[in-house]
Amino acid sequence: DVKVTQSSRYLVKRTGEKVFLECVQDMDHENMFWYRQDPGLGLRLIYFSYDVKMKEKGDIPEGYSVSREKKERFSLILESASTNQTSMYLCASSKEGYRRDTEAFFGQGTRLTVV
Amino acid sequence: TQLLEQSPQFLSIQEGENLTVYCNSSSVFSSLQWYRQEPGEGPVLLVTVVTGGEVKKLKRLTFQFGDARKDSSLHITAAQPGDTGLYLCAAFYSGTYKYIFGTGTRLKVLA
Repeated sequence: DVKVTQSSRYLVKRTGEKVFLECVQDMDHENMFWYRQDPGLGLRLIYFSYDVKMKEKGDIPEGYSVSREKKERFSLILESASTNQTSMYLCASSKEGYRRDTEAFFGQGTRLTVV
Repeated sequence: TQLLEQSPQFLSIQEGENLTVYCNSSSVFSSLQWYRQEPGEGPVLLVTVVTGGEVKKLKRLTFQFGDARKDSSLHITAAQPGDTGLYLCAAFYSGTYKYIFGTGTRLKVLA
């Protein structure tokens, strides 16, 4: 079974802190994604990566950065946490590119609260 | 700009009723996925549709991909309380590695 593991289920951080959200997958997938999910706004893509050390901005990259030093690990960094970054963060991985049968596998999510 | 629009956004029905959820776009996709998400969990894949006009069945769930591969529908027959959840369509944005999700349909089935 594919497993995508996010380091924390719940996290509370203070405004201005630097926050690291870690995601690890065990299926040797090329693609990895970070989304945030807010009521009424659906899943919005923050950043994605299609290879080690490669990263692409999604639809809402402002205030975030990412790191992919190893194929299995994709980290999301909040440079200076703000209250509007309180959200559910979901990591996903998938096989290479945009194959016709590609599907994404998700972690259980990290519910981040910034106070 | 939302590339995948889902309707309805919310649906509350009685057990035993039928329902259809729609996923529409102006873009053409090589494939499209449907997921279901339970509260506090990540989305879980239900099905992938690939060919225009394709119909796939998963027990009481029927998925259809539009002929032009721009839209899809999910039909649930005789809904049960266990079908309650958030239903999401998703696809790779044409020619890129960008994987996008629809706006979601939150379904509640009352016993």
